[in-house]
Formats: sequence, C-alpha cells, structure tokens
Amino acid sequence: DTEVTQTPKHLVMGMTNKKSLKCEQHMGHRAMYWYKQKAKKPPELMFVYSYEKLSINESVPSRFSPECPNSSLLNLHLHALQPEDSALYLCASSQQGPSSGNTIYFGEGSWLTVV
Amino acid sequence: GENVEQHPSTLSVQEGDSAVIKCTYSDSASNYFPWYKQELGKRPQLIIDIRSNVGEKKDQRIAVTLNKTAKHFSLHITETQPEDSAVYFCAASGGSYIPTFGRGTSLIVHP
Repeated sequence: DTEVTQTPKHLVMGMTNKKSLKCEQHMGHRAMYWYKQKAKKPPELMFVYSYEKLSINESVPSRFSPECPNSSLLNLHLHALQPEDSALYLCASSQQGPSSGNTIYFGEGSWLTVV
Repeated sequence: GENVEQHPSTLSVQEGDSAVIKCTYSDSASNYFPWYKQELGKRPQLIIDIRSNVGEKKDQRIAVTLNKTAKHFSLHITETQPEDSAVYFCAASGGSYIPTFGRGTSLIVHP
C-alpha cells in the first residue's frame, strides 16, 4: 500500500496565525519530504528528512519549520506566512537504499490559502 | 546538479491519437526516470518508471523509452482517452536520491 496521508486537506490562515500541516506514512520509508506546488508547476522541494534527521533545507524561509517526531510522521509548522505562500503543500516519502529506485510517493496534499 | 528539460509544455490531441512527451537530462549519473500524472486538484501519481539498465518499458497504453547516450527519455501514450487529460511530469535521479522534475506537459485529449 503506497499511502501517504496528509491533514488538513484545506487550510485558510491569516498572516499572524500559527498552524501546522501533518503527514503520516506506514510503508517503512526512511525518507520524507515537503514540497510546495503552484498551479501547473512542478513540485518544488522544501525539506528532506532522512532517518528522522533533516538532511536538506532548500533555503526555505524560517516562517516554515519542519519537524519529524518519528519515522512515520512529518509536520510542517507555519507562522507569519505571506499571501504568496498560498499553494498546495505535498508531503512525500521514499525508501532509501542502494536498490531503492528513489520512487517518491506523494500524499494528497494540503491546500493552503493565506489571507 | 541535474537539469531536466521537458517538451512540449502543452499537447492537444484528438481521442484515439497517440501522444509523446520528451525529456532530456544533463547528469550522466542519473539512473532512474519516473513519470508522474497529475490530474486537476489531485496529487502527482507515479504512472511508469524506467531504470538505466533497460531501453523501453510498457504498461498497457503507456510506454517509456530511454536513450542513455543521448540523455533523453520519452513517454508514449497510445489510443488516448479523455481521462488521460492531465499534467505529466518527468523526473531524473541517481547522483542524488532527490529527483529533479521537468516543468510539466499539459495534455488535453479532445473527445
């Protein structure tokens, strides 16, 4: 089962709010990702956790704060966002290893609107 | 780093026609090439992938070809149907386990 679940599916927040996006996978994957996607554009990598440790931060503004409580969970904490941060936020996971093939499986995404 | 070019950006076909989307990559270390389909309002979903030790792979109406020498790979969809309408993304990975995505192709299949 290639299932990555994300909550909430839709989120509207003001620029002074603090909110969190949540992601869960039970495939035993050791890498988890946050991507940001604008309409008809490719997913844009934000963060990568490998074995529960942050391995890549693609120069993301500090108003986005990732957290990996355990190997199955990934959160993205949001604070003081701007309207241009409105987008689809995709969580993803992949199995690492020399024979992994690096297939990335995406969750259904969280649609974020900043007002 | 890897650079993936994808063409065309938009492809319009009649139902029943074939559709071909082409991608080129720059890093000769890349060895894994997935294709994702993203329907409007939904997540990207893996539809087919190919590794560098094979030249072609088929799955029903979908096929992918890989030319390692020329560093390009293509997605072929035969007998297109309206439900094939979506944005298709190619990707390449290998040197880094993080895939690099192409810019996407919006495929429109007219009934």
